Amino acid sequence: DGGITQSPKYLFRKEGQNVTLSCEQNLNHDAMYWYRQDPGQGLRLIYYSQIVNDFQKGDIAEGYSVSREKKESFPLTVTSAQKNPTAFYLCASSIRGLANTEAFFGQGTRLTVV
Amino acid sequence: AQKVTQAQTEISVVEKEDVTLDCVYETRDTTYYLFWYKQPPSGELVFLIRRNSFDEQNEISGRYSWNFQKSTSSFNFTITASQVVDSAVYFCALSEATQGANSKLTFGKGITLSVRP
Repeated sequence: DGGITQSPKYLFRKEGQNVTLSCEQNLNHDAMYWYRQDPGQGLRLIYYSQIVNDFQKGDIAEGYSVSREKKESFPLTVTSAQKNPTAFYLCASSIRGLANTEAFFGQGTRLTVV
Repeated sequence: AQKVTQAQTEISVVEKEDVTLDCVYETRDTTYYLFWYKQPPSGELVFLIRRNSFDEQNEISGRYSWNFQKSTSSFNFTITASQVVDSAVYFCALSEATQGANSKLTFGKGITLSVRP
């Protein structure tokens, strides 16, 4: 089945540790996105990538890093510099990064930092 | 800068009631796109509808209908005869055409809809 797979579904980490969230898609989509969701805050864009080996910062990129070495993969690293990393993280993709294309979302990773 | 406001945060209705979810947007672009997504308890967002700024026709899909009014910058969503399965968080979103290949979705804060049996 085609879709977006995020893993793991739940992730626990100690404060000060870096952690990488996985996002894989087999939809052959060019564009991929990472969003952060906090209660009452909606979805905020962290990073996005329109093509392989290229990505741009979103609205809240500080404390995060990404790579796009393959079309189907867009991992997100939450670094120790992120002051409040506990949140629900959603990965999405679209056929192309244009305004009129809808995005398809994964089931999310809930990160808890203790 | 683009902005989406969903003033309602939580709505609770009894099954079979009609419910309207409000969405107000801000943009300087003349060409833009509006979206509604549903987030069930499982977590992933499910696409419901896309509307471009030049098409103000209302749309109906089964129990769902959308009312787009440029004059008031609103794109409201109505569920007729609500069902328990409609319980979810609903997001309105906006993207601007001038961003071209760098377009991105800006989301509202979401409305949590609870439908009680």
